[in-house]
Amino acid sequence: EDQVTQSPEALRLQEGESSSLNCSYTVSGLRGLFWYRQDPGKGPEFLFTLYSAGEEKEKERLKATLTKKESFLHITAPKPEDSATYLCAVAPRSYNTDKLIFGTGTRLQVFP
Amino acid sequence: GAVVSQHPSRVICKSGTSVKIECRSLDFQATTMFWYRQFPKQSLMLMATSNEGSKATYEQGVEKDKFLINHASLTLSTLTVTSAHPEDSSFYICSAESSYEQYFGPGTRLTVT
Repeated sequence: EDQVTQSPEALRLQEGESSSLNCSYTVSGLRGLFWYRQDPGKGPEFLFTLYSAGEEKEKERLKATLTKKESFLHITAPKPEDSATYLCAVAPRSYNTDKLIFGTGTRLQVFP
Repeated sequence: GAVVSQHPSRVICKSGTSVKIECRSLDFQATTMFWYRQFPKQSLMLMATSNEGSKATYEQGVEKDKFLINHASLTLSTLTVTSAHPEDSSFYICSAESSYEQYFGPGTRLTVT
C-alpha cells in the first residue's frame, strides 16, 4: 500500500536553530515527491519537486533532499515567518493520473 | 506564475441547499484539476480528479451525486455540493496541474447551518 509518513508531528524551534523535517514513503515506483507549505486557513504553497534519489533543491533557508525511502526538508537558521505546516506528498507511478498521496504534515513553530 | 484562484473564499449556507465553488487557473491552462477536502489539523483528502471535457474520477467513498464536478474549460473547474448538510462543513481546496506539478488554490471554507 502506498503510504507517506511525516515526522515529527510538531516542532518548536528558536529563531536561528536549524533542524530537519522527515518524510518517509512507501510507493510502488515514485513519479515525484513534493513539498508544500501551508499557512492556517490557506491552500498549500508549492515549494519543491524531487524526482530521483540524490536530488537536492534549495530555496532561501530551505533545502530538500531525496533518497529511495525518504526525503528531508532542512531549515537553516529559521525565522518566525517560517512558521507553518509543511506537507510532503508523493505521486506513485502505479496511478494513471498525477494524483498525490499526502502525509499528515509537520507543524513548525519558530519563536523569536 | 502558476496562480490558482477559488471563489468564494467563505460561504455559509442552510442545510438542504446547494453551493457551487469555482476553481480557476489564472495564468496557465490545466487539463487536470483536483478537488480536496481538509478537516481541522488533518491533511488533504483527495475527493476527485477533474479532466477537461470528460467526467470526473471520484475517490472511493466520495458520493458523485452529492459532489458534482464540472471541468468545462482548461481554466475552470467547479464543485457543487448538493443538498448540503452540517457534516459537509469543511475546507475545500482545488489544485491545477502544470508540468506534472500541482498548484493549489487558497481554499473555500464551507459552513452548513
